[in-house]
Amino acid sequence: EAQVTQNPRYLITVTGKKLTVTCSQNMNHEYMSWYRQDPGLGLRQIYYSMNVEVTDKGDVPEGYKVSRKEKRNFPLILESPSPNQTSLYFCASSLSGQGNQPQHFGDGTRLSIL
Amino acid sequence: QKEVEQDPGPLSVPEGAIVSLNCTYSNSAFQYFMWYRQYSRKGPELLMYTYSSGNKEDGRFTAQVDKSSKYISLFIRDSQPSDSATYLCAMINAGGTSYGKLTFGQGTILTVHP
Repeated sequence: EAQVTQNPRYLITVTGKKLTVTCSQNMNHEYMSWYRQDPGLGLRQIYYSMNVEVTDKGDVPEGYKVSRKEKRNFPLILESPSPNQTSLYFCASSLSGQGNQPQHFGDGTRLSIL
Repeated sequence: QKEVEQDPGPLSVPEGAIVSLNCTYSNSAFQYFMWYRQYSRKGPELLMYTYSSGNKEDGRFTAQVDKSSKYISLFIRDSQPSDSATYLCAMINAGGTSYGKLTFGQGTILTVHP
């Protein structure tokens, strides 16, 4: 089954403790991206990667890092999490970075930073 | 000012009604336009996409783009309770250094009651 898999689905942690949210897709997609979703603010793009060689900042990259060492994986790293990073996070992928390819979303990771 | 503005609603309609959802945008580099539907506790799923100004129809859904006015719409005919969800407009930047960057509206919560 074609899918985008995020782990963990839920995480409660404390300020300053480094964490990584993994994202993996099995569709051989070039484009991958991370979003956070907050009430009243909608989905905001954190980072995106057009292909293995290119990664760019989205609208809200501060406090996050990403890595695209291979096509199928795109982990999101919070080196020193803070409470304002408490949010619902989505990873997505598409065949290319163009709008005519649907973006497939994972089911989300709910992250709480205490 | 946000690059994409979407009325968050909530919007409540009776079954069978015609629903109109709208977004305005300010960035002329947005060239690909999409509508996503998001059910509770799930990731967004692509409903419609368009590139040029005009209408695109798919079953009960019609997407409309007016690039001159920087305005897009989604119409749902004969709305059903199963259409109850959050609807998000989204746009891809197709020019310059932000090529491939995706920006979402904040989403409109729709409830269709029997």
